[in-house]
Amino acid sequence: DAKTTQPPSMDCAEGRAANLPCNHSTISGNEYVYWYRQIHSQGPQYIIHGLKNNETNEMASLIITEDRKSSTLILPHATLRDTAVYYCIVREAGGGADGLTFGKGTHLIIQP
Amino acid sequence: EPEVTQTPSHQVTQMGQEVILRCVPISNHLYFYWYRQILGQKVEFLVSFYNNEISEKSEIFDDQFSVERPDGSNFTLKIRSTKLEDSAMYFCASSRDFQETQYFGPGTRLLVL
Repeated sequence: DAKTTQPPSMDCAEGRAANLPCNHSTISGNEYVYWYRQIHSQGPQYIIHGLKNNETNEMASLIITEDRKSSTLILPHATLRDTAVYYCIVREAGGGADGLTFGKGTHLIIQP
Repeated sequence: EPEVTQTPSHQVTQMGQEVILRCVPISNHLYFYWYRQILGQKVEFLVSFYNNEISEKSEIFDDQFSVERPDGSNFTLKIRSTKLEDSAMYFCASSRDFQETQYFGPGTRLLVL
């Protein structure tokens, strides 16, 4: 089972920042937080990942709390094309070639 | 930007038939994966593959499934005798190393009639 909890759905206005929360209260010290998204039934698309520090790339920012029990994915200027299901996944570093465990994710709907 | 590709994009087959789904992983990646997603359900891990061997597999990956890297570029998933419940999207993924990010292909939609 997924080790993360996410709200089932969220709305955000186009052009605003979308903040997607994720709880991972049982995360271990060697586990990364990964974010993927899935648009319609396309393949999951990698967004960002982090261990302890906040991370930023061209798609998003990832804010991880100091106790690492929760995180927030931020899409700074959401567009209609960001409407998708967003998955927060906890993955052990060096855990072997194990598969990712997907939960139900958050269905983010960007409103025009 | 390199990406994982999959063929065919759609496949329709009769129950009991064999199907082969094909994937071309990113060229310098060494670890390969198959996942499936039944309509309306979660993405589920099936199997991982490295150095011509299965590394990990889930309970779903039973004897009717097999994987192969027949040449230097392709990675295949074979379903020997398809069942109605095999109807799903099948996603291939690859990573440069087992610790690194997995990148997914666009998927093959399999419909078993």
